[in-house]
Amino acid sequence: AQRVTQPEKLLSVFKGAPVELKCNYSYSGSPELFWYVQYSRQRLQLLLRHISRESIKGFTADLNKGETSFHLKKPFAQEEDSAMYYCALSVNYGGATNKLIFGTGTLLAVQP
Amino acid sequence: KAGVTQTPRYLIKTRGQQVTLSCSPISGHRSVSWYQQTPGQGLQFLFEYFSETQRNKGNFPGRFSGRQFSNSRSEMNVSTLELGDSALYLCASSSPRQGATGELFFGEGSRLTVL
Repeated sequence: AQRVTQPEKLLSVFKGAPVELKCNYSYSGSPELFWYVQYSRQRLQLLLRHISRESIKGFTADLNKGETSFHLKKPFAQEEDSAMYYCALSVNYGGATNKLIFGTGTLLAVQP
Repeated sequence: KAGVTQTPRYLIKTRGQQVTLSCSPISGHRSVSWYQQTPGQGLQFLFEYFSETQRNKGNFPGRFSGRQFSNSRSEMNVSTLELGDSALYLCASSSPRQGATGELFFGEGSRLTVL
């Protein structure tokens, strides 16, 4: 079965503290994973994708196929990072469909 | 470049009625996907259209249908509304390239309330 699990509904940290948003997936094929973010009163938007190996706004995510995880990390949280974060799995990357399986999301609250 | 536009933004219907939601993708985007977002189930894939053809469908009953026009605009329809259909319906468009990229550009959504 194709599934994305985000075990934490809410993660509250203080400004300057490290952040790790957990994501685990279940997929029999070769996974392509993404993190989407929704800031308050804004649209859901792509934050970063595994295939690009990029760092966006100080966030990075490493795919661990052994642990079937794609955790999102940032060494020092900022108040502007407060948002809803969704992990997503592409079921047919490069193929004929853009269907994504989303996790239920984690609300990150960065306290001053 | 204008973003994905969804109309109407809010609507209230009663059980048994039907509803049509509209989505205008980013100019040049040929793929349009629809998702249902609820507090309990999160974001669930409804269907995807590419060049007027449905190329994937989620696990929703036949009451949920959609279509895409030659200008890439898309509509989704829900017939015989049930209370459980109350949700935020999100439309997303993606790259004009044929292959899936996983990068979706979302609209603000249409919030449907069924009474």
